[in-house]
Amino acid sequence: AQSVTQPDIHITVSEGASLELRCNYSYGATPYLFWYVQSPGQGLQLLLKYFSGDTLVQGIKGFEAEFKRSQSSFNLRKPSVHWSDAAEYFCASKTSYDKVIFGPGTSLSVIP
Amino acid sequence: EAQVTQNPRYLITVTGKKLTVTCSQNMNHEYMSWYRQDPGLGLRQIYYSMNVEVTDKGDVPEGYKVSRKEKRNFPLILESPSPNQTSLYFCASGLTGTSPLHFGNGTRLTVT
Repeated sequence: AQSVTQPDIHITVSEGASLELRCNYSYGATPYLFWYVQSPGQGLQLLLKYFSGDTLVQGIKGFEAEFKRSQSSFNLRKPSVHWSDAAEYFCASKTSYDKVIFGPGTSLSVIP
Repeated sequence: EAQVTQNPRYLITVTGKKLTVTCSQNMNHEYMSWYRQDPGLGLRQIYYSMNVEVTDKGDVPEGYKVSRKEKRNFPLILESPSPNQTSLYFCASGLTGTSPLHFGNGTRLTVT
């Protein structure tokens, strides 16, 4: 079955440190890939998306992600984390049934 | 302002008492969907709708009903709620099923 995995359930980083959240997908064809962020008590908000073209995509809030077909990965990065980035992050991928499935999420804590 | 509105935000009910969670979007989106979010499982799709009067089952449809009589509204109905439906529910909408989604702020349901 097609799936999206996020190997890290929880990550803690210090404010100002760099961040990388991992995501792997199993959809074989050219995927549509997304990263969403969920702040406490809120719904999910789109950070960025990849459909085609440049494999490094820029998003909101200073985030970027790189699509690597050879590794079936779409990792999210930020060079310097702010305390307000503490949230749950979800990777998502289109499936062959024209649906989007979500990974289990990575919870990010930021130490001041 | 573009938004997806869910009501209520919090709901506590007893086993077997029918309830409806409403969802409305003001972006003229064709696609709407319901998800439930449980710890460690990410978001799982309950039902979705590609357009008015067109609905289909997602991954976990048992115990739920939906209807799409108008483009803007997509209510979720639990005719006989059970404790295993205690969860955080999200409504989302998008231009298509693989477009970026706009999410409501969620409904936290507790069934005792």
